Amino acid sequence: SYVLTQPPSVSVAPGKTARITCGGNDIAVKSVHWYQQRPGQAPVLVISYDSDRPSGIPERFSGSNTGNTATLTISRVEAGDEADYYCQIWDNISHQRVFGGGTKLTVL
Amino acid sequence: EVQLVESGGGLIQPGGSLRLSCAASGFSVGDNYVSWVRQAPGKGLEWVSVIYTGGTTYYADSVRGRFTISKDNSANTVYLQMTSLTADDTAVYFCAREGRGNWFDPWGQGTLVTVSS
Repeated sequence: SYVLTQPPSVSVAPGKTARITCGGNDIAVKSVHWYQQRPGQAPVLVISYDSDRPSGIPERFSGSNTGNTATLTISRVEAGDEADYYCQIWDNISHQRVFGGGTKLTVL
Repeated sequence: EVQLVESGGGLIQPGGSLRLSCAASGFSVGDNYVSWVRQAPGKGLEWVSVIYTGGTTYYADSVRGRFTISKDNSANTVYLQMTSLTADDTAVYFCAREGRGNWFDPWGQGTLVTVSS
């Protein structure tokens, strides 16, 4: 089955830019979605279709997807962005939905 | 407001069965895909199952043959029947509306299933 690989952790200072990667074989041909999960809360969709921002999500959140890596970029990071972030795709061969292992974003 | 509310979780012995419910409001489960996603304590998200508008279903390899997803369009509710439960099934179970692009939005608040003797 398709595997998505994320770094376990990323640290960034407030006001700086955080980049969280999601690796997969030829992932550029797939649509990648990203979720933010704060402790004790349900996940929230922050990016769909590689780079679309749902209503209510700050413009500081953006996404890209090329080659074997999709990237979630958070600009001007704030303390409230500290959370776990997950990438997700639909595997059109198995019809299964696949999540990456998640990345814990720490704001220093 | 689009909302999903899960219920039915609890403590169950290994080998036991449990049925979870996902009550939807603000949209029709008859016109939308709905998925179940679980999260073991301290672990990441794991997709479990989906039911399509016409009733087609898919399952993760880890639950196929043990879990069954179904829905009642008139009650606007999706169910997850879980059998032959093991400790590895211990998790918070979320339901989520699935968009046509196979993204999940919104999610319910989750219901905790604990499999233990």
